[in-house]
Amino acid sequence: QKEVEQNSGPLSVPEGAIASLNCTYSDRVSQSFFWYRQYSGKSPELIMSIYSNGDKEDGRFTAQLNKASQYVSLLIRDSQPSDSATYLCASLDRATGNQFYFGTGTSLTVIP
Amino acid sequence: EAGVAQSPRYKIIEKRQSVAFWCNPISGHATLYWYQQILGQGPKLLIQFQNNGVVDDSQLPKDRFSAERLKGVDSTLKIQPAKLEDSAVYLCASADIAGGRNEQFFGPGTRLTVL
Repeated sequence: QKEVEQNSGPLSVPEGAIASLNCTYSDRVSQSFFWYRQYSGKSPELIMSIYSNGDKEDGRFTAQLNKASQYVSLLIRDSQPSDSATYLCASLDRATGNQFYFGTGTSLTVIP
Repeated sequence: EAGVAQSPRYKIIEKRQSVAFWCNPISGHATLYWYQQILGQGPKLLIQFQNNGVVDDSQLPKDRFSAERLKGVDSTLKIQPAKLEDSAVYLCASADIAGGRNEQFFGPGTRLTVL
């Protein structure tokens, strides 16, 4: 059974700090990984996708993928109160019909 | 580019009643997903369509839930009869995976409350 696991948190960081969110996955076949941000009462919003080992940077966000360790992380630099949300990690399994597998999400609070 | 559209945004019904949700995916996206999200949990896949065919409905409670995507574009999800435990947010998402883009985009969701 494919699983994506995240620490549910809550994670609290002060404004301006780096927030580090982590995710592990059980399926070695998964090749594509995604981070979604979900504000309370809203639907998930795609913020990062990563397909190859290493780092991918987009503004204040950096996604890191280590396929050997089956580990994906999201770093948020210069955290802002507006970053307070739940962050969902997801993997795409193309081998079984392009299904996405989601973690339960990590709740992040950025304290002003 | 217009996003995924869903309606209604909110619905309150009594148990044993029926309800239907509508989704219009991003134009050109052949893959459409319906998820159920209960508070504090990640989205749970109910059914996945590729064009108008079902790819996976293994987690759809078929005794009460049904879904269709007749022309390969819009989709409807129906619950009949509803139970208290069906209270959740129902999310529709679409992706252009066949076109080489793996990213999935969500609609605003329908918040269902069953009393």
